[in-house]
Amino acid sequence: AQSVAQPEDQVNVAEGNPLTVKCTYSVSGNPYLFWYVQYPNRGLQFLLKYITGDNLVKGSYGFEAEFNKSQTSFHLKKPSALVSDSALYFCAVRDIPTGGSYIPTFGRGTSLIVHP
Amino acid sequence: DVKVTQSSRYLVKRTGEKVFLECVQDMDHENMFWYRQDPGLGLRLIYFSYDVKMKEKGDIPEGYSVSREKKERFSLILESASTNQTSMYLCASSPGGEYNQPQHFGDGTRLSIL
Repeated sequence: AQSVAQPEDQVNVAEGNPLTVKCTYSVSGNPYLFWYVQYPNRGLQFLLKYITGDNLVKGSYGFEAEFNKSQTSFHLKKPSALVSDSALYFCAVRDIPTGGSYIPTFGRGTSLIVHP
Repeated sequence: DVKVTQSSRYLVKRTGEKVFLECVQDMDHENMFWYRQDPGLGLRLIYFSYDVKMKEKGDIPEGYSVSREKKERFSLILESASTNQTSMYLCASSPGGEYNQPQHFGDGTRLSIL
């Protein structure tokens, strides 16, 4: 079985400060991990993914995420937040085959608010 | 670039009506999905399809049905709309057999049932 948790409903950060949006996961095998962003009244947009290899993954709009297998985490980060980063962020996991489904499981989402 | 198009951005219907939500993708993806999104509950999978005329129930299929007669089109049907089906509905697609590829989402249909 696969599951994902986003422990914070909301994250507040000042513009220019670093931001972190947390995600932890549970899988029976190895994970494929994804981050998506949703702006108001829009669908989800893909930001980045971890498949294998380097634990630090770089994605769109200056975002990056660090895969930590021992802590089963995949936190989203950005060195310097912008007001325009304010949006809803979703983490998703797929358990890599061997009985895993291609249907990903999504977290409940974290609302990021960047204050000017 | 993959485009997933949902036919309506906003829709208002009445209780008991049969409601159709349409979704079209232009990238020849095998997999298509319907989710509903509610505050605090995240995305919940209603139905998905991995091929034409094939469908599987997701986590909350009650009160819904789907149709996939062509590869590019996936329709969600509310058989008899109820007020608790007021929600944001999101359609998504992804390539078949490629577990490491992300889903591509439409912009959603915000449905109100009065």
